[in-house]
Amino acid sequence: AQSVTQLDSHVSVSEGTPVLLRCNYSSSYSPSLFWYVQHPNKGLQLLLKYTSAATLVKGINGFEAEFKKSETSFHLTKPSAHMSDAAEYFCVVLNAGNMLTFGGGTRLMVKP
Amino acid sequence: NAGVTQTPKFRVLKTGQSMTLLCAQDMNHEYMYWYRQDPGMGLRLIHYSVGEGTTAKGEVPDGYNVSRLKKQNFLLGLESAAPSQTSVYFCASSDIQGSQPQHFGDGTRLSIL
Repeated sequence: AQSVTQLDSHVSVSEGTPVLLRCNYSSSYSPSLFWYVQHPNKGLQLLLKYTSAATLVKGINGFEAEFKKSETSFHLTKPSAHMSDAAEYFCVVLNAGNMLTFGGGTRLMVKP
Repeated sequence: NAGVTQTPKFRVLKTGQSMTLLCAQDMNHEYMYWYRQDPGMGLRLIHYSVGEGTTAKGEVPDGYNVSRLKKQNFLLGLESAAPSQTSVYFCASSDIQGSQPQHFGDGTRLSIL
């Protein structure tokens, strides 16, 4: 069965510094992986997706993620954090049958 | 384009009461889903539907029922609410293709006293 583990439940950065949100996956085949963002009292919005094309995936709002098969990782990065990036982020794997399995989430806090 | 709309946005129930959450999508998607979100656990799939008239159990189906009488609507019912069902509920829809992402509503915050 496919699963994802988000290694940090909370990450705090200062505005203008890099962001790294870590995600490891477990899958018996080449997975489709996603990062979603959830702002307070809102639904989830897709940031980016990996579907076995380029291993470096660029998403919205300056975020990107790199698929590393050897490390079974799909970490999310951004060069410079903005206050508006404060939110909860979910790493997600797509299972057979179009089902999503979610990680536990990482809450990103951005300090001025 | 509204996307996925959930009603109501908030609700407080007493233990034992029943209620129905409504999800509507205007994207002509085949797949629809109901999730619950609890702190530290991400989203967990309750029930889903692969088309009009079909439903199936997800990861945490107990205590819930669903119906998909029309392609655009997916209803989630709680027959006898319990405090353990206090959660935020999200509806989502997706295209039939497996690689397409799901589109989420803004959630329903449900408290069971």
